[in-house]
Amino acid sequence: QVTLRESGPALVKSTQTLTLTCTFSGFSLSTSGMCVSWIRQSPGKALEWLALIDWDDVKFYSTSLKTRLSISKDTSKNQVVLTMTNMGPVDTATYYCARIRATVDSSGTYDWGFFDYWGQGTLVTVSS
Amino acid sequence: DIQMTQSPSSLSASVGDRVTITCRASQNIRRFLNWYQETPGKAPKVLIYDVSNLQSGVPSRFSGSGSGTDFTLIISDLQPEDFATYYCQQSYSTPFTFGPGTKVDIK
Repeated sequence: QVTLRESGPALVKSTQTLTLTCTFSGFSLSTSGMCVSWIRQSPGKALEWLALIDWDDVKFYSTSLKTRLSISKDTSKNQVVLTMTNMGPVDTATYYCARIRATVDSSGTYDWGFFDYWGQGTLVTVSS
Repeated sequence: DIQMTQSPSSLSASVGDRVTITCRASQNIRRFLNWYQETPGKAPKVLIYDVSNLQSGVPSRFSGSGSGTDFTLIISDLQPEDFATYYCQQSYSTPFTFGPGTKVDIK
């Protein structure tokens, strides 16, 4: 049974750095093809993909946020950590982690799956 | 980045109706298109992956079609639990992108 759970502060101040942890079970991030992503949703807005880390520790980031984001994994703890620097009120959102699977061909091209399991989300409010 | 658009942004429908939601990608994404349903207070849930494949446990009244840049989600025989917001998402390449969503509410 695959489960994911986000944890972190509910409230951060402007300019601070946010650190969120995704703790998962039912799969291993050392297994080929396994990846974990972070996705957020500001109140009343659409889903926004933020970052992904794969089984081989390869990382991908949102174009608009990549200078502020860092994703890492601790395979032994089944955790993925997202840090976002210089938080502002516009970053107020529910942050989700989700699993996605992928394959890589001989040329290094990824064949991505879909977000099949999600955490329940954690609401982060940024005060100004 | 690949831009995703959806239409309509919202619609009102009745139980039993057939609902059609369209999604357009800014470039050819072949068949790498997924649909998610979001209900208030819950995480999004995948309905359809790779354009037309129904995720396990999803009712057969949901169906998807399309290829390249234009895609469609159809809900036939709308049920009370289907009143939700629907998002398309391209998995052709990173950065992944979602559509702006289509809210289906009760007429």
